[in-house]
Amino acid sequence: DAGVTQSPTHLIKTRGQQVTLRCSPKSGHDTVSWYQQALGQGPQFIFQYYEEEERQRGNFPDRFSGHQFPNYSSELNVNALLLGDSALYLCASSLVGEQFFGPGTRLTVL
Amino acid sequence: KQEVTQIPAALSVPEGENLVLNCSFTDSAIYNLQWFRQDPGKGLTSLLLIQSSQREQTSGRLNASLDKSSGRSTLYIAASQPGDSATYLCAVSSHNQGGKLIFGQGTELSVKP
Repeated sequence: DAGVTQSPTHLIKTRGQQVTLRCSPKSGHDTVSWYQQALGQGPQFIFQYYEEEERQRGNFPDRFSGHQFPNYSSELNVNALLLGDSALYLCASSLVGEQFFGPGTRLTVL
Repeated sequence: KQEVTQIPAALSVPEGENLVLNCSFTDSAIYNLQWFRQDPGKGLTSLLLIQSSQREQTSGRLNASLDKSSGRSTLYIAASQPGDSATYLCAVSSHNQGGKLIFGQGTELSVKP
């Protein structure tokens, strides 16, 4: 079992650009959640996908959007990037209860 | 609104010492509580999950307790080792918020040889 995987590992973008991050859940998991972690802070919940629908959303602007595919993998899209979007983006998968996290994607916005 | 606080923010101890990390939350209506470990620049590794009906969970040198009524959890690490150096995060999931995890800011632990 490969666990939760994320791609890419690192990404550098400039302000105003758009970015897509990808996540493959742990085998057998049907729910994917995305979190943003700024340096020195705890992760902040962005949104959660279940059965290809956004089930819950945190306090993030509409520039942040996502998608879940029939194989339960997921994408996080961020439009019109701001300097403040620089962070570690974490994906977590779950079936019931316990959440398992991937290694994250480090996004730097210049 | 659920808020999670971890004290202390940083802790440095000599190798071999037993230590306790604290986590408090403001709303006792939780579904479960998880403790995670995070190495610098890396993802989160789940250490222990405590369901709301449980009082504690143990894994090796780690023991986590939960007191819902007082809104507190502790992570006890026995016989600490330099390899335990990392940031430890606690997170709660509430019934009315689905699987959303609300995190504390973490405790950065350094174990000196």
